[in-house]
Amino acid sequence: GQNIDQPTEMTATEGAIVQINCTYQTSGFNGLFWYQQHAGEAPTFLSYNVLDGLEEKGRFSSFLSRSKGYSYLLLKELQMKDSASYLCAVREGNYGQNFVFGPGTRLSVLP
Amino acid sequence: GAGVSQSPSNKVTEKGKDVELRCDPISGHTALYWYRQRLGQGLEFLIYFQGNSAPDKSGLPSDRFSAERTGESVSTLTIQRTQQEDSAVYLCASSPSPGLAVTYEQYFGPGTRLTVT
Repeated sequence: GQNIDQPTEMTATEGAIVQINCTYQTSGFNGLFWYQQHAGEAPTFLSYNVLDGLEEKGRFSSFLSRSKGYSYLLLKELQMKDSASYLCAVREGNYGQNFVFGPGTRLSVLP
Repeated sequence: GAGVSQSPSNKVTEKGKDVELRCDPISGHTALYWYRQRLGQGLEFLIYFQGNSAPDKSGLPSDRFSAERTGESVSTLTIQRTQQEDSAVYLCASSPSPGLAVTYEQYFGPGTRLTVT
């Protein structure tokens, strides 16, 4: 079966670092994506991992361990505008056409 | 514009009526996806198109839901005899041709907020 788990909510302080974890059990694996979704808006792409290790992109980094079925999104130097939901998604299938999304983690950044 | 567009942005309908939601993907994107997102919840996969064929319809929740796509462009999601449980935001996304070595992400439209009264 398919199962992607993320914490429901997290709170952090402006300027701090926060790590959002994602664990997955899917029938196939062809990459893991992180999306950001502000309230009332569509998700936007943040990062992609297909090999084990860390991918860094400015203030955001994403890590993947395929053997553990585990990923995290690391946000540094938090800003108020980072308050949003963060969605973890796994691309499955031989041709990678199926995306399975986690429930999302609602992050609140406090002053 | 260059992004994914959806219409209408908001739709209020009475229980039992049919509704049609439209998605215009980014030009050249062969893959198109429909998702449903209930308030405060994650994305629920509905259907995937590659070109105008739908190799994966596994997410459609019932036979009241159907979707079609014209070529590699517009797609419509139709919900017949709507129920209150159908109230949600319906998101459409498109992406370039799939490939094992391609890092392609989905580009989402703004969604259609459907309210069934």
